[in-house]
Amino acid sequence: GDSVTQMEGPVTLSEEAFLTINCTYTATGYPSLFWYVQYPGEGLQLLLKATKADDKGSNKGFEATYRKETTSFHLEKGSVQVSDSAVYFCALRGKAAGNKLTFGGGTRVLVKP
Amino acid sequence: DAGVIQSPRHEVTEMGQEVTLRCKPISGHDYLFWYRQTMMRGLELLIYFNNNVPIDDSGMPEDRFSAKMPNASFSTLKIQPSEPRDSAVYFCASSWGGMNTEAFFGQGTRLTVV
Repeated sequence: GDSVTQMEGPVTLSEEAFLTINCTYTATGYPSLFWYVQYPGEGLQLLLKATKADDKGSNKGFEATYRKETTSFHLEKGSVQVSDSAVYFCALRGKAAGNKLTFGGGTRVLVKP
Repeated sequence: DAGVIQSPRHEVTEMGQEVTLRCKPISGHDYLFWYRQTMMRGLELLIYFNNNVPIDDSGMPEDRFSAKMPNASFSTLKIQPSEPRDSAVYFCASSWGGMNTEAFFGQGTRLTVV
């Protein structure tokens, strides 16, 4: 079945550092890909998405490109802030799997001043 | 719209008691998902519905768990009897349409079984 693998955390960075969180997936067909963010005590919020190969999703300085050839959707941000400290989840949703929304294990990011 | 609404936000119950978690999806959404989040197991999909019909309940851990969606505006997740290992945060999410659309999450219900 569909699955998502993302790098384990925690990832600890200094403010203004470059952030990359790796995400790879296994799926039948061509799913849509998502990044969600979860702040402490809250539900998940959509950060960005891409619905077809080579699409780039972007939001709040974060970017991710849908790479079909490497089945990847890595999240990047050029200069992180303390407020970016959160847990980040990669997810996919495919018609072949009945439009189920499948998440990776999450990556905790801690940005220090 | 007020977003996905879950109740209660916190629930503390004794082992063996019945627990019912409630979810009101965003109006017009036709998919509803129930997830469980723990430190050990991460975010697990328990069950999801499309147009009020359960599509996949393979993530429901055992027969003590049941979920219903009697109409487009309401869903419940019931645990009977509850056990300490059921302690977790339970999230409900809804979406409109299929694969290209994102799901919107509620604030979650933190369940503690003592």
